[in-house]
Amino acid sequence: TQLLEQSPQFLSIQEGENLTVYCNSSSVFSSLQWYRQEPGEGPVLLVTVVTGGEVKKLKRLTFQFGDARKDSSLHITAAQPGDTGLYLCAGALDFGNEKLTFGTGTRLTIIP
Amino acid sequence: DAGVTQSPTHLIKTRGQQVTLRCSPKSGHDTVSWYQQALGQGPQFIFQYYEEEERQRGNFPDRFSGHQFPNYSSELNVNALLLGDSALYLCASSQKLAGGFFGPGTRLTVL
Repeated sequence: TQLLEQSPQFLSIQEGENLTVYCNSSSVFSSLQWYRQEPGEGPVLLVTVVTGGEVKKLKRLTFQFGDARKDSSLHITAAQPGDTGLYLCAGALDFGNEKLTFGTGTRLTIIP
Repeated sequence: DAGVTQSPTHLIKTRGQQVTLRCSPKSGHDTVSWYQQALGQGPQFIFQYYEEEERQRGNFPDRFSGHQFPNYSSELNVNALLLGDSALYLCASSQKLAGGFFGPGTRLTVL
């Protein structure tokens, strides 16, 4: 059973465009993380959100945690080729519980 | 700070063999978690070690076992390898809160 569903699975857009990636679940998470992973490397943590409705910004990336803490979104403004990679959301069911449940990932390609 | 390190980088084994993968956590971290990432999928939680004990375990058979040493480093052992065990094995370290720092992984190929 996949607890976290990401959409879209694949996304290919032109440089300069905006995009949104979604992470949805029927389970409530105490915290949710977004990672970016490049081929042959481990995932790199981008952000952790813990409060329902929380919005965090990291330069051109905006992360939102749903009010009910069941879903999250990642919005990228003016995408650049360096944003290319596999974006993974991961949730922790219990606060302080470091077991992460990962989504299936969104493979993003930015075309120069 | 070297971050999380894993060895070896790549490994090729044949079915039925046994393998040991190693992980050194980020400085100051006392918890190590292991994940298996099959091609095209997100990582799947194998187990987590804290204070040299297995704290939590995912849906993996007993062929997967581990160990944590007093210096917080950890090993993942897989016995009786199957073709389906081919994957990228990731180690993540953390201290208390979720949001682990991942190592680069060990790519295991079972022939």
